[in-house]
Amino acid sequence: DIQMTQSPSSLSASIGDRVTITCRASQSISTYLNWYHQKPGKAPKLLIYSASTLQSGVPSRFSGSGSGTDFTLTISSLQPDDFATYYCQQSSSVPITFGQGTRLDIK
Amino acid sequence: QVQLVESGGGVVQPGRSLRVSCAASGFIFSNHAMNWVRQAPGKGLEWVAATSFDGSNKFYADSVKGRFTISRDNSKDTLSLQMNSLRTEDTAVYYCAKDRGVVRASLYFFDYWGQGALVTVSS
Repeated sequence: DIQMTQSPSSLSASIGDRVTITCRASQSISTYLNWYHQKPGKAPKLLIYSASTLQSGVPSRFSGSGSGTDFTLTISSLQPDDFATYYCQQSSSVPITFGQGTRLDIK
Repeated sequence: QVQLVESGGGVVQPGRSLRVSCAASGFIFSNHAMNWVRQAPGKGLEWVAATSFDGSNKFYADSVKGRFTISRDNSKDTLSLQMNSLRTEDTAVYYCAKDRGVVRASLYFFDYWGQGALVTVSS
């Protein structure tokens, strides 16, 4: 199985900050990497797929990059709605696996 | 608009069975692969099972293989997960999730999710 490791596990930031979350795969997954965020009590929401493609309706302050084993999610200017838990997920092979999550809190 | 509505959650004793279902609307259900993803209380996301658009291909996480069965009824736009021999570690919110793939393709990532059904396995 492909293991996905996110860092950091949690971080605190302020409105307007630029934030980067990283995700590392245990083996190469090309660009089969997707990002979601989830607010408490809600279902996850797809933000970015195929490493860098913005899902329809997602604000352009979100961006993704990377290929192979190392990936990043960047939020260019944090907004109040962005405080949530972020997950990466590989879709290169079954079993599909998620990172452990990065909790983003207000500083 | 796309809607996925889970039902069938509840409290069940270890070793017993439970079936959760997902009613889909707002898209052509028979054209899309579907999945179940779960989340134990306070924990992260865990993929459980996937079915192709026509139900001919099914995949399972090792943790549920041989105990859980994913199925779909394309005439009723419904996805199901039959869970047998339940364990306390199966306690979770179970989400139904639509594959982002275009017609009849499986891409294994998810653009729409239901609100989740809570399954609690406890004696």
